[in-house]
Amino acid sequence: DSGVTQTPKHLITATGQRVTLRCSPRSGDLSVYWYQQSLDQGLQFLIQYYNGEERAKGNILERFSAQQFPDLHSELNLSSLELGDSALYFCASSDSGTSGTTQYFGPGTRLLVL
Amino acid sequence: DQQVKQNSPSLSVQEGRISILNCDYTNSMFDYFLWYKKYPAEGPTFLISISSIKDKNEDGRFTVFLNKSAKHLSLHIVPSQPGDSAVYFCAASSGSNYQLIWGAGTKLIIKP
Repeated sequence: DSGVTQTPKHLITATGQRVTLRCSPRSGDLSVYWYQQSLDQGLQFLIQYYNGEERAKGNILERFSAQQFPDLHSELNLSSLELGDSALYFCASSDSGTSGTTQYFGPGTRLLVL
Repeated sequence: DQQVKQNSPSLSVQEGRISILNCDYTNSMFDYFLWYKKYPAEGPTFLISISSIKDKNEDGRFTVFLNKSAKHLSLHIVPSQPGDSAVYFCAASSGSNYQLIWGAGTKLIIKP
């Protein structure tokens, strides 16, 4: 158990809908990262927050947005969903936002868009 | 442009023998490297890391070697056990970039 929690574990929805994925980082970790993994491919970095502020952005679509709240939990919002958004979404956390720190991953949310 | 490459999609090793997983990178600014293990439908689990100031790091059955001149790192697992069967990802980061850059993964199969 990494100490990172994600809810829900599974999510099934229809095209055009909007969903929110939630992540609670490990106790004491200030940084949260979001990743997408499609069809057993490698992990694609989406976005990073550090202590409430956006720190880095990767291949995140404009239809997706995220935020980190004062209690450090984070939410990833996916809107106008398309079939291709079906994937595993992972959240990770680390104790700092700098390079050279280890990221610890949650169990993921499996999203299926029908 | 793939900055981190794992050229072997899969590797099959006999139980008890050594497993060697390889990773190549192109960005000379990378200064921190990590290996993660992933089971299907689970999040990646951190295994071991190495800073660019070192060329070897060991943790139990796992050893990571870094060859900066060749821009190559490898993960050695000795002895290999059935529970090691999983997908292994290498990842890298640099001081100027907070995100981890990931390889595509190598599926390790340990045969009994």
